[in-house]
Amino acid sequence: GNSVTQMEGPVTLSEEAFLTINCTYTATGYPSLFWYVQYPGEGLQLLLKATKADDKGSNKGFEATYRKETTSFHLEKGSVQVSDSAVYFCALSPTGGGNKLTFGTGTQLKVEL
Amino acid sequence: DTEVTQTPKHLVMGMTNKKSLKCEQHMGHRAMYWYKQKAKKPPELMFVYSYEKLSINESVPSRFSPECPNSSLLNLHLHALQPEDSALYLCASRPPESRSAEAFFGQGTRLTVV
Repeated sequence: GNSVTQMEGPVTLSEEAFLTINCTYTATGYPSLFWYVQYPGEGLQLLLKATKADDKGSNKGFEATYRKETTSFHLEKGSVQVSDSAVYFCALSPTGGGNKLTFGTGTQLKVEL
Repeated sequence: DTEVTQTPKHLVMGMTNKKSLKCEQHMGHRAMYWYKQKAKKPPELMFVYSYEKLSINESVPSRFSPECPNSSLLNLHLHALQPEDSALYLCASRPPESRSAEAFFGQGTRLTVV
């Protein structure tokens, strides 16, 4: 079956530090890949997505590149802010469509001054 | 309008109560979802409606009863819940059977069962 593996958190960084959150997936074919962010007390918001190999999704300074050869979709940001503190979920939608999204376990990010 | 609206935002109910959670979207998405999320965990899929028909039930106990009265509305009827059912309940929508479309989530209903 499909699965998504994320690095364990929490990840604690100082403001302006470089962020990487690792995400790898297991799925057949070419799934679509997503990063969602959840701020405290809120629902999930789409941060970025990529729908085919070598696509780069980007938004609000965050980037992730769909790497088919390593089945990865790592999230990066060059300079984090305190306001980026949240939980980040990697997710996939399978090749054949269908209505299920598979989520990773989530990585909590804490950014300190 | 790219919003999914959930009501109420917070709900406290006793184990003998009957209550309903409501979800509404006007993006024309014909797939709608209920998820349950416990603290520090990812969302767990409960139900999926596709074109107003129940297409996925992830073996959810019958004390949770979903309903999709039309293409914009999704309800979750609650009856005889247990304290362990306390969680954040999230509604989401997306175009059905689409590999590339993202899901749009509501803000959730924080449910406490006492």
